[in-house]
This record gives sequence, C-alpha cells and structure tokens, in this order.
Amino acid sequence: DAGVIQSPRHEVTEMGQEVTLRCKPISGHNSLFWYRQTMMRGLELLIYFNNNVPIDDSGMPEDRFSAKMPNASFSTLKIQPSEPRDSAVYFCASTMGGLEETQYFGPGTRLLVL
Amino acid sequence: GENVEQHPSTLSVQEGDSAVIKCTYSDSASNYFPWYKQELGKRPQLIIDIRSNVGEKKDQRIAVTLNKTAKHFSLHITETQPEDSAVYFCAASMGSNYQLIWGAGTKLIIKP
Repeated sequence: DAGVIQSPRHEVTEMGQEVTLRCKPISGHNSLFWYRQTMMRGLELLIYFNNNVPIDDSGMPEDRFSAKMPNASFSTLKIQPSEPRDSAVYFCASTMGGLEETQYFGPGTRLLVL
Repeated sequence: GENVEQHPSTLSVQEGDSAVIKCTYSDSASNYFPWYKQELGKRPQLIIDIRSNVGEKKDQRIAVTLNKTAKHFSLHITETQPEDSAVYFCAASMGSNYQLIWGAGTKLIIKP
C-alpha cells in the first residue's frame, strides 16, 4: 500500500485566494483526520471523519475552513479566503478503526500564504 | 479541560545515555496513550503505545510506563543513538468520543 497520499506537497498562494488540500487515506481505513502543525501551536486536530461522516469539527479554526469526505478514498480541506496566519503544515492521517488506534500520517502539505 | 502536558520541551543527552520524557493528562478515564516520533521535515510516526490495562510496555530500546493513579506516562529510550534525534509527541484519548489530545512535543537532541 502506498500509505496516505496528500497533494499538493507544497503550496504558495496569496492572501485572499482559495486553497484546497487533498488526501487519500489508506485503503480499508475508515477514519480520517486533518491536522495543522505550526511551531507556535504544535499539532492541532482540525476535524475527523468516521465512515465519511464528520464526527468532530471543533478544531476547525473558523468559517474560512471547510472539509469534505465525499467517499471512503478522498477528502479535501478548503480554506477560503486564505490568510497569512494559515501558513502551516497540514497533515492528513487515517486509522483502520476508530480513535484509539495507530494513526498513519501522510507526508503533509506545506502551505505558505503571502 | 482536557489537556496533556509534556516535559521537557527540549532534552539534550549524550549518545549512549538514556532519555526520559514525561506526560501528564487530565482525564482519569483515558485508556490509550501513544507516542509518536517526528524527524525533521517528516511526518509523525507511531513508535509505541500503551493501554490502561498494563503498566509498562517495551520494544527493544524504547519503553513506556503508565501510572494511572498519578495520571502520567513516560517514554524511556535507552542507549540513545544519533537517529533518535527528533521531536517526540505523547497523546491520550479523552472525552466522550475518546479523541486524542496531543502534548506539545519534546525535541530530543543526541550529542555525539
């Protein structure tokens, strides 16, 4: 298995633009997580899905952020409009079952908003 | 509130010595305590985990101990090697939906 796949790996955009990050979980995994990592705030859980259904989005910073999981093999995290403070590394992770299992992280998307 | 405190934030040890990182958690009902290692520029990866029904777990040079009464758990790395240099994160499952709450991370530096 190729592991969790994320795209793009790097994204540079200007403030106000829409940014879409993509994730393909490991086949057969039914939970998916989106994280944001910065030096200041560490690793933050933004949202997680179970069987394609959003279970907890309390970590989503504000209405500019939205996430979808239209099927078991694809999820998106969208930021609209983007701001410089959104600059971070965004990780997607998946587990075979629920929360108390090994999370397999993707390589991350490094986002820079100018 | 639900939180995990991790100490120290930076740890520097001589190659070959042992390293210990400690985490405390707030929810006495927590059941699952993983440790992840993140090398510079890479993704976090699970190195060891422990569940509340055991007090200690070992895997070669790494071990985790859990004290449920005191609500803390620790990562022990023996005979440290240069490749152990990384940021280590602890986490604990908490709340009604057992969400993982993460510690702030410990940067481990192995001095040659």
